[in-house]
Amino acid sequence: GQNIDQPTEMTATEGAIVQINCTYQTSGFNGLFWYQQHAGEAPTFLSYNVLDGLEEKGRFSSFLSRSKGYSYLLLKELQMKDSASYLCAVRRGDTDKLIFGTGTRLQVFP
Amino acid sequence: DVKVTQSSRYLVKRTGEKVFLECVQDMDHENMFWYRQDPGLGLRLIYFSYDVKMKEKGDIPEGYSVSREKKERFSLILESASTNQTSMYLCASNRGKGEQFFGPGTRLTVL
Repeated sequence: GQNIDQPTEMTATEGAIVQINCTYQTSGFNGLFWYQQHAGEAPTFLSYNVLDGLEEKGRFSSFLSRSKGYSYLLLKELQMKDSASYLCAVRRGDTDKLIFGTGTRLQVFP
Repeated sequence: DVKVTQSSRYLVKRTGEKVFLECVQDMDHENMFWYRQDPGLGLRLIYFSYDVKMKEKGDIPEGYSVSREKKERFSLILESASTNQTSMYLCASNRGKGEQFFGPGTRLTVL
């Protein structure tokens, strides 16, 4: 079967660091994406990991461990505009089909 | 910049009506996707097209059909709308194995 788990909600303070976890069980894993979605808007691409390790992109980093079926998105120096939902998605096999987690709603407080 | 547009932001239809949702992308992407997004369920793939006139069922194709007559346009059709099809519908496109680019979404309400 295919299953992706993320926390439903998280809160954090402006300027802090937050880590959003994603665990997955899927056959034929072929990469993991993170998307950001502000309320009422389209998801936008943040990062992609296919090999184990950390990918850093400005304030955002994403980590993958394929053996553990685990990824996290790390957001540093949080800003109010980072309040959004963060979606973890896994690519299935040699296709372009993604399976999405239900998303983590992050609220950043002053 | 990649642009994916959808025909309507908001749509209200009655049970039993035939509904067309249209999506257009301007970056010559071969792949196009239709998802629906519901609270607590996340994004679920309805149909996927990898070329003109080619399509594959996603995870929840029942009650839907699709049409891709031109590379840039991918239509989602609800043959006979039902209340359980009230949802946010998102179209996306990509090239190869790259990230998907999403349209702004159509919030469909079926009364």
